[in-house]
Amino acid sequence: EVQLLESGGGLVQPGGSLRLSCAASGFTFSSYAMSWVRQAPGKGLEWVSAISGSGGSTYYADSVKGRFTISRDNSKNTLYLQMNSLRAEDTAVYYCAKDPRGQQLGTGWYFDLWGRGTLVTVSS
Amino acid sequence: QSALTQPASVSGSPGQSITISCTGTSSDVGGYNYVSWYQQHPGKAPKLMIYEVSNRPSGVSNRFSGSKSGNTASLTISGLQAEDEADYYCSSYTSSSTLEFGGGTKLTVL
Repeated sequence: EVQLLESGGGLVQPGGSLRLSCAASGFTFSSYAMSWVRQAPGKGLEWVSAISGSGGSTYYADSVKGRFTISRDNSKNTLYLQMNSLRAEDTAVYYCAKDPRGQQLGTGWYFDLWGRGTLVTVSS
Repeated sequence: QSALTQPASVSGSPGQSITISCTGTSSDVGGYNYVSWYQQHPGKAPKLMIYEVSNRPSGVSNRFSGSKSGNTASLTISGLQAEDEADYYCSSYTSSSTLEFGGGTKLTVL
């Protein structure tokens, strides 16, 4: 079955760190660029970061640049998001999502496969 | 405040057609044919409905269509059905090599 499964969410204090994982199955993971998209409770979608299939190219939203790091281990079919210096406004459900066009990030990203999401709560 | 502007809500009766707008700038919607639309039911992950302005993924009903004029993209749903009731989000690639989403539109089927 083609799917993405996020994990690693939880409650963390402001200033803390957390690493999210996204396990992919049912497709050739290394052949596709991936992104993280988040959704604060009751709010809209916000793109967070993108990575090429090889991991050689990455992009970040200004809101997380310098604090979050996207990476992937193609041998483990897993996408990661390392989140440091967390703030209350980072509280959200974090989704990983697959770009169907291939491993190059290129332009015009969109997502044909999403995980169920993992909730990150930043609070003291 | 989202970079792309969508109406907060729209409504329609079964069988009718509705259109949701998504307004950006020449640095996003107007500058690229890279607008996508997603449907999200409560508690569920988003689902791709339209990509590259007007293309439908396989499996998506042809009742859903997309278009663009200038800095505004639109999603039209014809023959409204009860299961279409959901939140809808547009997204656009930007000149800064980022992706922006609209604030979302809640569709109510009366």
